[in-house]
Amino acid sequence: GEQVEQLPSILRVQEGSSASINCTYENSASNYFPWYKQEPGENPKLIIDIRSNMERKQTQGLIVLLDKKAKRFSLHITDTQPGDSAMYFCAASETGNYKYVFGAGTRLKVIA
Amino acid sequence: EAAVTQSPRSKVAVTGGKVTLSCHQTNNHDYMYWYRQDTGHGLRLIHYSYVADSTEKGDIPDGYKASRPSQENFSLILELASLSQTAVYFCASSDWGGNTLYFGAGTRLSVL
Repeated sequence: GEQVEQLPSILRVQEGSSASINCTYENSASNYFPWYKQEPGENPKLIIDIRSNMERKQTQGLIVLLDKKAKRFSLHITDTQPGDSAMYFCAASETGNYKYVFGAGTRLKVIA
Repeated sequence: EAAVTQSPRSKVAVTGGKVTLSCHQTNNHDYMYWYRQDTGHGLRLIHYSYVADSTEKGDIPDGYKASRPSQENFSLILELASLSQTAVYFCASSDWGGNTLYFGAGTRLSVL
């Protein structure tokens, strides 16, 4: 079935450095790619998203890149802080289709 | 911000018992979803609904039923709870299929 592969599953970085998470998807009709951050014991919250009419989007220290040809998208967190430590999920969906496919998640640990 | 409220927040159930998880949204969203989260599996879709009085099967519907009596309310029902259904359950809503999901706080279910 349709899958979204997310790597790495665990990521440890030094405070102040950047962190990158990569996702690949299978469904070429996917046109919406959100990223969710989940802190321990909390619900997933949308932090940034990108639609297929864009290749790059940036907001508040977060950068998302989308390569439709390669069916790949990525999240880059610049100048990481301890508060960035959390689980991050990527997802792919198609407008008008209920089906959201989530990656398995990346546990990010920012080391002070 | 969108509001999705789940109850209970945690539940301990006995094997073979009936469990009902409730979800209420005040976003005026048409789509509602039930996801299950297990370590290493990310979020998996159990059931979803795009209109009151109608529910649809997601990717892992076996052992679960759903009910959508109104636009605001969506319940997940485990008629005969089993050990394998121990997990965290998230309800979510979106204004249309494939668009941003807003998650509730989650219900931690332990089946003993």
